[in-house]
Amino acid sequence: GDSVTQMEGPVTLSEEAFLTINCTYTATGYPSLFWYVQYPGEGLQLLLKATKADDKGSNKGFEATYRKETTSFHLEKGSVQVSDSAVYFCALSGQNYGGSQGNLIFGKGTKLSVKP
Amino acid sequence: DAGITQSPRHKVTETGTPVTLRCHQTENHRYMYWYRQDPGHGLRLIHYSYGVKDTDKGEVSDGYSVSRSKTEDFLLTLESATSSQTSVYFCATAPQQGTNQPQHFGDGTRLSIL
Repeated sequence: GDSVTQMEGPVTLSEEAFLTINCTYTATGYPSLFWYVQYPGEGLQLLLKATKADDKGSNKGFEATYRKETTSFHLEKGSVQVSDSAVYFCALSGQNYGGSQGNLIFGKGTKLSVKP
Repeated sequence: DAGITQSPRHKVTETGTPVTLRCHQTENHRYMYWYRQDPGHGLRLIHYSYGVKDTDKGEVSDGYSVSRSKTEDFLLTLESATSSQTSVYFCATAPQQGTNQPQHFGDGTRLSIL
């Protein structure tokens, strides 16, 4: 079945460092890909998305490119801030999962801590 | 976000008792979802609804039931709670079906079963 694998955390960086969180997926058909962010004590918020191969999603300085050839959707940011400290989830929306389009499959999450 | 309110936000109860969690949305979204979040597992889908009185099972539906009698409310019931159901539960909504539709999440309910 469809699945998402993302790098294990936690990840600890200094402020202004470069961030990469790896995400790879397995899916039939042509899924859409998402990154969600969860701040402490809150629900998940959509960070960015890409719906077809070679699309680049971007938001708040974060970027991710949908790479069909490597089945990847790595999250990057050039200069992280303390306020970026959160848990980041990669997810896909497949065509066949659960018998319904639109159901999300999540990776396990990567906790990012940014130190001043 | 999408006007999603989960209640209660925290609950502690004992094994064997029934528990109902409520999700209320004000955006008139057709699709609603219940997930559980556990360390090392990310979020896993319990049940979802694609309209009033229309529901289906997700990946981890055993021990859970749901009901949706109104567009705005989606209830998750644990008929006889077990310690393995200690988790953080999230409700989500989406306006329409489709693989490119993001879901909007509530702030979660932390449930502890002793």
